[in-house]
Amino acid sequence: NAGVMQNPRHLVRRRGQEARLRCSPMKGHSHVYWYRQLPEEGLKFMVYLQKENIIDESGMPKERFSAEFPKEGPSILRIQQVVRGDSAAYFCASSPEVDRNKQYFGPGTRLTVT
Amino acid sequence: QKEVEQDPGPLSVPEGAIVSLNCTYSNSAFQYFMWYRQYSRKGPELLMYTYSSGNKEDGRFTAQVDKSSKYISLFIRDSQPSDSATYLCAMSVAYGQNFVFGPGTRLSVLP
Repeated sequence: NAGVMQNPRHLVRRRGQEARLRCSPMKGHSHVYWYRQLPEEGLKFMVYLQKENIIDESGMPKERFSAEFPKEGPSILRIQQVVRGDSAAYFCASSPEVDRNKQYFGPGTRLTVT
Repeated sequence: QKEVEQDPGPLSVPEGAIVSLNCTYSNSAFQYFMWYRQYSRKGPELLMYTYSSGNKEDGRFTAQVDKSSKYISLFIRDSQPSDSATYLCAMSVAYGQNFVFGPGTRLSVLP
């Protein structure tokens, strides 16, 4: 049973470009959470999605960031017009319907903005 | 004041020692408490999950929650070099909602 998959694992973008981060949840999981981890800081919640729905986006910056979890395919976190401050590790987690508190994390995508 | 605080360490102990890792929090609404282990440049791995106050044991790991003091602990018995990692506490106010994480404690178990 494959775990949570994220790609790419490393992404380098120049300032002003777009970054697309993908997350495939564990098989059978319908809840996806995105977190950001800055150097020497803890994980910060960004957004919680179910299939085709955003449940809670209270942690996501209002501008430049968006997320989706379509009926088919992976969840996507999109960052438009990246700035140096967006450099961080982005983790997604998924949980099953039967126990939504058990969030299983992927290996993360490390975004570097040059 | 941060919502969840942890001593960042690093904490160094000899192999076989009992390790105590702690978090304090300010929001009395937290009800669900988790401990994650994160190896360098990897994703967090769920270790323990508890609800409300009390103790929970799983192998070499014991989690304690004291809601009256807003304090949670993770104990690791017979620590091994493979336990060297960063330990993150996390908590949420409601079932299935997002977690608030502490900044993590770096643990090093020396052979």
